[in-house]
Amino acid sequence: AQSVTQPDIHITVSEGASLELRCNYSYGATPYLFWYVQSPGQGLQLLLKYFSGDTLVQGIKGFEAEFKRSQSSFNLRKPSVHWSDAAEYFCAVGDRAAGNKLTFGGGTRVLVKP
Amino acid sequence: NAGVTQTPKFRILKIGQSMTLQCAQDMNHNYMYWYRQDPGMGLKLIYYSVGAGITDKGEVPNGYNVSRSTTEDFPLRLELAAPSQTSVYFCASTNPGDGYTFGSGTRLTVV
Repeated sequence: AQSVTQPDIHITVSEGASLELRCNYSYGATPYLFWYVQSPGQGLQLLLKYFSGDTLVQGIKGFEAEFKRSQSSFNLRKPSVHWSDAAEYFCAVGDRAAGNKLTFGGGTRVLVKP
Repeated sequence: NAGVTQTPKFRILKIGQSMTLQCAQDMNHNYMYWYRQDPGMGLKLIYYSVGAGITDKGEVPNGYNVSRSTTEDFPLRLELAAPSQTSVYFCASTNPGDGYTFGSGTRLTVV
């Protein structure tokens, strides 16, 4: 069965500093991979997705992620964090073989210090 | 251009009551999903559907039922509400190769 691990439950970063969120997945074939962001009391917004091709994926709000098959990872990065980036971030893997079901990691909560 | 619409946004149920959470999408997506999100946790799949008339269980289906009579609608039914079903429920839809669109959620409390 597929699974997603986000090792960091909380991350605190200073405004203007860089951010990297880790995601490791388990899936038997080439996965669909996603990063979503959720602000408090809100739904999920898609930041970026990887289906195939270039392993460095650009998303919205200045985020990017890199798919590394050898490490089963899909880490999310942003060069310079803004206060509005404070939120919870979820990595997810999609099952191509069974209804494109998404399996989510437990999430990483990002706090931004002024 | 509504996307995925969930109703109601909030609901308080008493133990043993039943209710239906509504989900509708206007993007002609074949695939639809119901997830629940407990405090401080990720989302867990309850049920999903790959087209009208086809539904299947996800990771946590017990206590829930679904139906998919049309492409647009995917209601989730709670028959005998229990405190363990207190959660935020999200509906989502997609077509293969697309990103997933999520509704804004239904916050359910069972007391």
